[in-house]
Amino acid sequence: SAVISQKPSRDICQRGTSLTIQCQVDSQVTMMFWYRQQPGQSLTLIATANQGSEATYESGFVIDKFPISRPNLTFSTLTVSNMSPEDSSIYLCSVSPSGRVFETQYFGPGTRLLVL
Amino acid sequence: LAKTTQPISMDSYEGQEVNITCSHNNIATNDYITWYQQFPSQGPRFIIQGYKTKVTNEVASLFIPADRKSSTLSLPRVSLSDTAVYYCLVGGPSGAGSYQLTFGKGTKLSVIP
Repeated sequence: SAVISQKPSRDICQRGTSLTIQCQVDSQVTMMFWYRQQPGQSLTLIATANQGSEATYESGFVIDKFPISRPNLTFSTLTVSNMSPEDSSIYLCSVSPSGRVFETQYFGPGTRLLVL
Repeated sequence: LAKTTQPISMDSYEGQEVNITCSHNNIATNDYITWYQQFPSQGPRFIIQGYKTKVTNEVASLFIPADRKSSTLSLPRVSLSDTAVYYCLVGGPSGAGSYQLTFGKGTKLSVIP
């Protein structure tokens, strides 16, 4: 298993600003994943962050809006840029020890973002 | 991309067995079926995963028929602490190192004393 922490746990931001969310894992993992969960909705995969290479984004998500860093095997950041109220969501990171997102994933507690 | 359909909500009394079914008619050959549990203000927690037939672990069973177009999560003797949202995830490799996955919209299970 893996223990994942996220910072901040929640934030309220003004539109037009940016927020960087941090994800820390207690063990080294090759791939980390970032999700968005809008209020009362299911999870949508934003991107996959592989250490040492550019993140891979899912359809509908672009690097300019959600830049991701992966400086080492235990840490990643997701930035939500130029925020609008539509970006209000829970943002979660996860890891899969096998490195494959469709196998067992361990999720962080999430970052609750409200954009005014 | 596999589309998944789950009931929006279910109620059950404590001590009963609960079965939650997920439909995934266009599941791909390489797709796995995974179920997650999510409590309020927490990230999802892995429950069980399968590919076909039946899988059982210490907390649940997963039944997958031969055509794999649906799957049923079975929770034996639920307690109040099982009140949560349960998500079905269908996904697998789609070639060239990429993959596809779809989370269902979730089933809110309420366990009644």
